[in-house]
Amino acid sequence: QSALTQPASVSGSPGQSITISCTGTSSDVGSYNLVSWYQQHPGKAPKLMIYEVSKRPSGVSNRFSGSKSGNTASLTISGLQAEDEADYYCCSYAGSRTFVFGTGTKVTVL
Amino acid sequence: QVQLQESGPGLVKPSETLSLTCSVSGGSITSYYWSWIRQPPGKGLEWIAYIYYSGSTNYNSSLKSRVTISVDTSKNQVSLKLSSVTAADTAVYYCARVLIPAAPSARYYYYMDVWGKGTTVTVSS
Repeated sequence: QSALTQPASVSGSPGQSITISCTGTSSDVGSYNLVSWYQQHPGKAPKLMIYEVSKRPSGVSNRFSGSKSGNTASLTISGLQAEDEADYYCCSYAGSRTFVFGTGTKVTVL
Repeated sequence: QVQLQESGPGLVKPSETLSLTCSVSGGSITSYYWSWIRQPPGKGLEWIAYIYYSGSTNYNSSLKSRVTISVDTSKNQVSLKLSSVTAADTAVYYCARVLIPAAPSARYYYYMDVWGKGTTVTVSS
């Protein structure tokens, strides 16, 4: 499978909202509501932020939200904070009980 | 709270086999799937494989011919072997608990909810 496509970087000022896209195909993102999002700070392990497109695990701020339209999933961060500066990866079910990750997006808080 | 700890040699020679272990603590390895994911320096995440505590496995097709994943329930450990390594296999290797429904046709879960801190493996002579 080919990696899902994400913008290399997205930036915003504190308090603003930003959206990260994750584009796949009809074989992965488009066919299943099984997209998850992970936050990764430098030198740290990824952390689950969103699962099943729009569900938040316990303890994750409600400033993080997810959605999907067609072959593209999106992660929106509202009220951007300095601590949100990190890399973000999407991941989708890709059929046959397999996974495919996105290319990753670096979020910069200006 | 379940914790995962990866371990293994930090340096592997080209053409040799990379062997890593993931130790699960704070919870049982049973009733869950366990996965390996890697991240080359400065690059993105790549799913490698997963295994159920019963031994059922699934692999990334691009690595399948070189990868073996196994589980030892008595030790609460999951292992990864990657053969014929090259410099392209240099990466941080993560172990993660992955939620997968028991029924293959079910369309829920499919995400990694607990991750280890990762272990760096360099392939070099």
